[in-house]
Amino acid sequence: DGGITQSPKYLFRKEGQNVTLSCEQNLNHDAMYWYRQDPGQGLRLIYYSQIVNDFQKGDIAEGYSVSREKKESFPLTVTSAQKNPTAFYLCASSGTRRGYNEQFFGPGTRLTVL
Amino acid sequence: AQSVTQLGSHVSVSEGALVLLRCNYSSSVPPYLFWYVQYPNQGLQLLLKYTSAATLVKGINGFEAEFKKSETSFHLTKPSAHMSDAAEYFCAVSGGYSTLTFGKGTMLLVSP
Repeated sequence: DGGITQSPKYLFRKEGQNVTLSCEQNLNHDAMYWYRQDPGQGLRLIYYSQIVNDFQKGDIAEGYSVSREKKESFPLTVTSAQKNPTAFYLCASSGTRRGYNEQFFGPGTRLTVL
Repeated sequence: AQSVTQLGSHVSVSEGALVLLRCNYSSSVPPYLFWYVQYPNQGLQLLLKYTSAATLVKGINGFEAEFKKSETSFHLTKPSAHMSDAAEYFCAVSGGYSTLTFGKGTMLLVSP
């Protein structure tokens, strides 16, 4: 089955540690996205990539980093510079042709900083 | 630039009643509009999308939405609510190529 996988489902981190969230898709989509979700704030875009080896900052990129070395993979690193990293993180992918950019979402990773 | 406003962070209905979730958008180009649903601790699932074809769009699980350009609205409706419809609903807008801009979401509560 085609889809998006995120791992792990739950992640616990101590303050001051970097942590990497995995996102893989087998939908052959060119574009991939990372969002952060907090209660009552909807989805906020962290980073996105429309092609391999290229990515752009979203609205809340500070304290995060990404890479896009393969079309299928778009890992997100939450660095120690992120002041309040506890949140639900969602990865998505989409096509890039006009009118075909609805995004398909993974199941999410819940990150808790202890 | 695009933006989305979802009126009401929470909407409560009784089982069998009409569901109406409101979405107003702002867009500098002809918009593409989407409704997504999210169940607790899960990702978002696409309910329906408007891409400039028919203004009345039918989606999954009996939901539909009507694009009204004069009102810059894309409200989501369902004639009869089921308990299984209880979830959070997100409206989103794009210019067709670019990223999606999401509203803050509306939590639908369904009582027996």
